[in-house]
Amino acid sequence: AQKITQTQPGMFVQEKEAVTLDCTYDTSDQSYGLFWYKQPSSGEMIFLIYQGSYDEQNATEGRYSLNFQKARKSANLVISASQLGDSAMYFCAMREVYNQGGKLIFGQGTELSVKP
Amino acid sequence: DAGVTQSPTHLIKTRGQQVTLRCSPKSGHDTVSWYQQALGQGPQFIFQYYEEEERQRGNFPDRFSGHQFPNYSSELNVNALLLGDSALYLCASSLQGERMTDTQYFGPGTRLTVL
Repeated sequence: AQKITQTQPGMFVQEKEAVTLDCTYDTSDQSYGLFWYKQPSSGEMIFLIYQGSYDEQNATEGRYSLNFQKARKSANLVISASQLGDSAMYFCAMREVYNQGGKLIFGQGTELSVKP
Repeated sequence: DAGVTQSPTHLIKTRGQQVTLRCSPKSGHDTVSWYQQALGQGPQFIFQYYEEEERQRGNFPDRFSGHQFPNYSSELNVNALLLGDSALYLCASSLQGERMTDTQYFGPGTRLTVL
């Protein structure tokens, strides 16, 4: 069964430092996509970054990068130079290719707190 | 470029009542998905609408139903409300295509409280 696991309920990081949020996934499909979303206390889910299962390069979007290790089925989010505004819940999600445009499966989330 | 909008922002209902939540997709998007997010949990997929039809459904009872209109906006209806239906309801829109990168963009959500 498809599953996303985020083992860090909460994380603390000092402002301007880098932080890694862990995500492992389980799927029997060969083609899938992995997403990271940020959810501030306001509730809106904000798309951060996407990685396809066949992408050879790790995805990067500004201060966000995705450390994709396919054999280990992990897709960790790295945030460089943390800012106070990065404090939020972060969710890892997966979609299998046969679900084109279809459902996202989310993990339980990691609450990130950035200290000044 | 307007993003995904949802109404109302907050809603309080009592057990047994019915509720309708509304969603307008991001400009240019034709697909709407609905998710339920209980407190402290990740979102759970309810269903998805495309071309005014329910295209995919998650593990939710028939009390949850929806509709998509010709302008791509959508409604989520929940009948016979239970206390356990209290949650944040998120709407996401996307553009139907063949690329795996079809990203779902979320609205701010409707927080439903059932008393």
